[in-house]
Order: sequence, then structure tokens, then C-alpha cells
Amino acid sequence: EPEVTQTPSHQVTQMGQEVILRCVPISNHLYFYWYRQILGQKVEFLVSFYNNEISEKSEIFDDQFSVERPDGSNFTLKIRSTKLEDSAMYFCASSEEGKPAPLHFGNGTRLTVT
Amino acid sequence: AQSVSQHNHHVILSEAASLELGCNYSYGGTVNLFWYVQYPGQHLQLLLKYFSGDPLVKGIKGFEAEFIKSKFSFNLRKPSVQWSDTAEYFCAVSPLSNTGKLIFGQGTTLQVKP
Repeated sequence: EPEVTQTPSHQVTQMGQEVILRCVPISNHLYFYWYRQILGQKVEFLVSFYNNEISEKSEIFDDQFSVERPDGSNFTLKIRSTKLEDSAMYFCASSEEGKPAPLHFGNGTRLTVT
Repeated sequence: AQSVSQHNHHVILSEAASLELGCNYSYGGTVNLFWYVQYPGQHLQLLLKYFSGDPLVKGIKGFEAEFIKSKFSFNLRKPSVQWSDTAEYFCAVSPLSNTGKLIFGQGTTLQVKP
């Protein structure tokens, strides 16, 4: 069964540094998403991406965050200047064309900001 | 405000016991409904979904859920749990306009004792 893959599985960075979290969605999927889960809290929607542009974003997704699909396979989340409160598990997801379609999630990247 | 509430945070059952996990949502409009499962060390996987039609939906591994519109509920059930069902279970809703914008409950950890 095709999978969404995320790298790295764990990223440690210092406050103020830039990080890029990488995701390879399922190959025939066209909708891409990022979610995050702060320890002990709910999984939260960050952003959805379709046709090379952001289709929707949450209040969390401020100017520090950006997403990109730099080539035909990768989907990245960049945090420009990390803060302690950015420490969380970040999940990438994708879904196929046609609504409604359920999301397929990756294993997540645990980001620790020190 | 839009929200999803799961009634139980931690459930412990013996094998062969019946399971019911409660989920209620608050959303001003028609929604899609989901249950996701996360086995230890793995990614979020879709257990079942409700988009329209028969309010009793069947998912993988013997799980089912019933959508009761009047109660804004989507409870998950399984008549006889197995040790391998030990996992975290997440209820989620999404608006019809953006199936991928999931609002998650806080999750229920199910521990099945052999």
C-alpha cells in the first residue's frame, strides 16, 4: 500500500533557527496538508495546499510558516525562526482528487526546539 | 466554536470485551465524520468515515460507527476487542467545503489486556 513518507523522524533545533520538514505524498494525490500535535494536545490543522497554492490555512499558520512543492514529489513545511512553542509532532497528509476523499497521513516528524 | 469532544481519555478493557468510544461534535453546518487510529509507533490510519447515506458505517477490523445527527454524535463500536486493538483513537470532522481540514478530538487511548 502506498504511503506518505516524512523525513526526518526527529529534528532538534535551537530557537531562532530555520527548519524544513519534508514529506513525500502518495504519488497520484493532489491535495496536501500539514497538521501538528503539541504534546498532550489535539492534532491541529495548519494548512492545505492544492494546485501549487495554499487553499486554506489556520490561525496558527502565521508568517513564520511556509509550504512549498519544489518538485513533483516533495512537499515541505518551513518554519523561518523557530520558537520553543513550535515543539510538536508535525504530520503531513495527502488525499486524491475528488471530494470527499480521506486523508493519508505520514508517520510524523517530532520537532524539538531548545 | 467548532470542536470535537471524545468522552474517554483512557479506556482499559480485557480481550473479548465490547467497546464503545463516544464522540460529539459542535459545528455549524453539514460535516464529514471520521475515526482514525494510531497504533504504537505508526501513522494515523483511517478506520472508517461517514460522508452521506446510511448512518451506520462499517470500517476495517470489525469497527463500526453510528452517526446520530440529532445528538451530534459519531460513536465508535466494536463487539469484541483484541489485544491488537491497543492504540489511540481519534474522532474528527471536516466541513463539506474542505474534506481535508480535519478538526480532531483529543484522542482516546485504548489498552486491551490479553
